[in-house]
Amino acid sequence: RKEVEQDPGPFNVPEGATVAFNCTYSNSASQSFFWYRQDCRKEPKLLMSVYSSGNEDGRFTAQLNRASQYISLLIRDSKLSDSATYLCVVNGPADFGNEKLTFGTGTRLTIIP
Amino acid sequence: NAGVTQTPKFRILKIGQSMTLQCTQDMNHNYMYWYRQDPGMGLKLIYYSVGAGITDKGEVPNGYNVSRSTTEDFPLRLELAAPSQTSVYFCASSQREAFFGQGTRLTVV
Repeated sequence: RKEVEQDPGPFNVPEGATVAFNCTYSNSASQSFFWYRQDCRKEPKLLMSVYSSGNEDGRFTAQLNRASQYISLLIRDSKLSDSATYLCVVNGPADFGNEKLTFGTGTRLTIIP
Repeated sequence: NAGVTQTPKFRILKIGQSMTLQCTQDMNHNYMYWYRQDPGMGLKLIYYSVGAGITDKGEVPNGYNVSRSTTEDFPLRLELAAPSQTSVYFCASSQREAFFGQGTRLTVV
């Protein structure tokens, strides 16, 4: 089983719709979780951290389900500018007090006018 | 505001040539990573480092070498370039969340 798994998509969603992605992880000891956004031919950038209680940033909501070992990202009222690849990131086994991050392969989202 | 700096941004190599991709971070992060990304594909980890003097292989290390003599620098060396190494290379560093350089677009012809 891969350490971090995502549905690669593509998700083609009309503008204004709500879309959700899930990501599963294999290491039950993982402590930190993130969603990154990558635009075409650009470097990935942090979208938001994912906290145990769930967190919201404008139109974006992230949730963590430790029992089932998955995290989710919900995008409401989607905009054309949300078109990108969304990467799920989980920390791996801790070494020397730090955390090695593992990236999923990403879910491609296209918002259709 | 430098963060993670990669050089060069673009490079064309001939088969069999060697080069070093440079990566420097100024955030005092312990973890550093090198990824490659082929068109339409996800990131593949080449090598990573947990601190100065310590490196380890990722999932696609063949054809590459790294060193980590300081906390700030993590160069990636290609010894005998092959067309299969044509890709975009990203360097990243992390203490908790990761920060990426802008990438190096490498073409081997």
